[in-house]
Amino acid sequence: EVQLVESGGGLVQPGGSLRLSCSASGFTFSSYAMHWVRQAPGKGLEYVSAISSNGGSTYYADSVKGRFTISRDNSKNTLYLQMSSLRAEDTAVYYCVKDTMADYWGQGTLVTVSS
Amino acid sequence: DIVMTQTPLSSPVTLGQPASISCRSSQSLVHSDGNTYLSWLQQRPGQPPRLLIYKISNRFSGVPDRFSGSGAGTDFTLKISRVEAEDVGVYYCMQATQFPPLTFGGGTKVEIK
Repeated sequence: EVQLVESGGGLVQPGGSLRLSCSASGFTFSSYAMHWVRQAPGKGLEYVSAISSNGGSTYYADSVKGRFTISRDNSKNTLYLQMSSLRAEDTAVYYCVKDTMADYWGQGTLVTVSS
Repeated sequence: DIVMTQTPLSSPVTLGQPASISCRSSQSLVHSDGNTYLSWLQQRPGQPPRLLIYKISNRFSGVPDRFSGSGAGTDFTLKISRVEAEDVGVYYCMQATQFPPLTFGGGTKVEIK
């Protein structure tokens, strides 16, 4: 059974940092691109970042470029999102998503940026 | 980036009646490999999104056959043949033809009258 479990969310002040993790199981993690998608409260889905299966290629939405860094550790079946210079508009549930097909989503982790 | 536009924003439906959601892309979603990477996602209240349909009309594992997808090029439709209570939620179309990024429609809320 495919499982994606995010962690690391919480309350952070504007300008602060957080690192999200996504622990994957039930599939060959190293074979798939992975993504982060976020959803602000009461809003739709916003694409954040992607990383290729071997970590060699990454993509960032303009809204997070230069502030967020996506990475992965295939030996630990874990995806990461390092977030810095956080803003109020980064407040959202962050989902870890498997493959460009988006066939599996984690339950999400809530990030709240507020003073 | 390809822009995905969904209509309607909200769809009140009587239980047992059909529902239909439209999605239009700003560019053709036909990939150079011949496939069209248009998917539909369902998000029930308080839950993460879930893949329902991929490549226009293929139901994902465990998806009931009352859900069907159709369309081509830039115009696509998700139909629910007979709405059940568990179908309440927000439905999103998503394209992966021109990736990155994945882009999503704004969502259509299906609710019971």
